[in-house]
Amino acid sequence: KNEVEQSPQNLTAQEGEFITINCSYSVGISALHWLQQHPGGGIVSLFMLSSGKKKHGRLIATINIQEKHSSLHITASHPRDSAVYICAVILRSGGGADGLTFGKGTHLIIQP
Amino acid sequence: NAGVMQNPRHLVRRRGQEARLRCSPMKGHSHVYWYRQLPEEGLKFMVYLQKENIIDESGMPKERFSAEFPKEGPSILRIQQVVRGDSAAYFCASSLMRGGNTEAFFGQGTRLTVV
Repeated sequence: KNEVEQSPQNLTAQEGEFITINCSYSVGISALHWLQQHPGGGIVSLFMLSSGKKKHGRLIATINIQEKHSSLHITASHPRDSAVYICAVILRSGGGADGLTFGKGTHLIIQP
Repeated sequence: NAGVMQNPRHLVRRRGQEARLRCSPMKGHSHVYWYRQLPEEGLKFMVYLQKENIIDESGMPKERFSAEFPKEGPSILRIQQVVRGDSAAYFCASSLMRGGNTEAFFGQGTRLTVV
């Protein structure tokens, strides 16, 4: 079982829709990151969270430490939001503790 | 500040050759992480380095792979005697401080194809 699970794996929506991507993790973490990766492109860090909620433009990220769950929301979605969204955590212990442990990503397509 | 720079962006190697991937961290960052993204798979941690030191290489394959981050110059991920299974995107990230509560900045990646 992966330590970081994302859902859905694939999501296709119409322009303007409200998007939610979920991330659950099974172990203690120091922080959680949401990343964006465009096809063939690099990785951009969207948010880093250890508690509560953060907002940047049309993007909102929340985390519930007790429930080991985080969500990424996109309001008024646009075709340029089409990308892979990746949840990543820093584990509190274990090998690679200084590196990120990643979910498999959510492939989001926003149709005009 | 040019951000994290990786080169080359694309690298083609024949089986048995060596691949050298370079990563220049953001200015002022002394912490470098290498990650590998295999086709149709998620990213996996490989190694964490600070200047002149390997701190955590628990994600590195035991053979053929090595990494360094010298006092001067970029971090290098070296793959000797490449095989088809090494074909992947290799990403470098850098951060100002150690640990998870600091933002990591990623490079554009090097896409290695072994033919």
